[in-house]
Formats: sequence, structure tokens, C-alpha cells
Amino acid sequence: GAGVSQSPSNKVTEKGKDVELRCDPISGHTALYWYRQSLGQGLEFLIYFQGNSAPDKSGLPSDRFSAERTGGSVSTLTIQRTQQEDSAVYLCASSPRGGRELFFGEGSRLTVL
Amino acid sequence: SQKIEQNSEALNIQEGKTATLTCNYTNYSPAYLQWYRQDPGRGPVFLLLIRENEKEKRKERLKVTFDTTLKQSLFHITASQPADSATYLCAGGGGYSSASKIIFGSGTRLSIRP
Repeated sequence: GAGVSQSPSNKVTEKGKDVELRCDPISGHTALYWYRQSLGQGLEFLIYFQGNSAPDKSGLPSDRFSAERTGGSVSTLTIQRTQQEDSAVYLCASSPRGGRELFFGEGSRLTVL
Repeated sequence: SQKIEQNSEALNIQEGKTATLTCNYTNYSPAYLQWYRQDPGRGPVFLLLIRENEKEKRKERLKVTFDTTLKQSLFHITASQPADSATYLCAGGGGYSSASKIIFGSGTRLSIRP
């Protein structure tokens, strides 16, 4: 596809369950970012991947959060033992080599009951 | 910790006037600042980037400035229109030569009334 694709667009889960959120970046983009946006708030940095370098995980809020990027393309953000405060929109963005502009997906809205 | 702050949560102005949004950064020196537009329920869309060695950048009705002494960027929309109503996000990034961590402010919700 032409843009960044995220799935699912909406996810409702029960407290304590694990969830996986997927991001398919723009083909050829080497950098991939995950952000979290709570209702009415700005974007909270979670993690970013750049090519084959070690990811910058400095924004992950707890060890329940992890992310991987397979083959330098698709990324999965996993939240284990979800809590109600994890409810938010999770946004993924990618950027081409040498670029600074971020291209965002439409986000995955997570609701933890 | 590194911070990007957008002090105005909301700004309401009359159509045709110039909207000016402020972004301040603390505890770091970003190599560049970016501005994004976000509409409700959508992902942010890139508007402009300005590097630390640039004072001003323009694109159509948009103008952005970068003042490293004040640690501040100003974002202007001239001849504002109701269609400009959205949330505007400021973001700071670190490196010139490769991708880097990019952190965002909390955004300013701009409303242009006819």
C-alpha cells in the first residue's frame, strides 16, 4: 500500500490479557517509530528502530511493553497483562533513509476494560 | 528530561487573521524542529521542518521560526481559514545524518471561526 498500515484499528480487551498491535511501514522506509497518544494528549515516544541498529527502547513505560521489527519491515508492539491505563491510541510512523519527516498510520485504538 | 512544550492547549481566532503557535524545548538542543497537523481520529501529517541553523522557513501560508537563544519555535498560519482548524504538534529531533528519537509536544488545538 501507499501509506503506513496499522492493525487492528480498534481493539477492546480485558484487563490482564496480552495484545499485539501491528505496523506495516511504507516500503523501503528504514526507520520505524511507535508512539502512544492518550485522549486529548500529545504523542508519547515509546520506541524506534533504525535499519539493523539496536532499537531505542527508552520510552517503553514498563517491562510489559515490547516491540520487534522483523526483516527490517513489519513491526509488532506487544503489551502483556494489560492494565486500564494502557488504554490509548498507539501510532506507528516510518521515515525514509536520510529523511526526518514521519509518515504516520491511522493508529490502533486500544481499550482495556 | 528532554521536553517539548506547547503552552497553549487551545487557540481561537477569527478567519483571515494570523494564527501564531508557540513551541519551547528544555533540557536538550534539537538539531531540527518539525510541525505536524492532526485532525480528530487521524494520524499526524507533516507540515514543515526547520533546522537549528535556519532562522525561518516558509511554505505557502505557513511560516516557522527557530530561535536557539530563546529555545523556541513559532508557527504562523497567515490568512487563516476554518479548514485550518486542527491540532498542531511540535516535534524535536536530534541528528542530521541518521534517524533519531523524535519527541512531541502535547499540541495546540486551533479553531478558526468564520
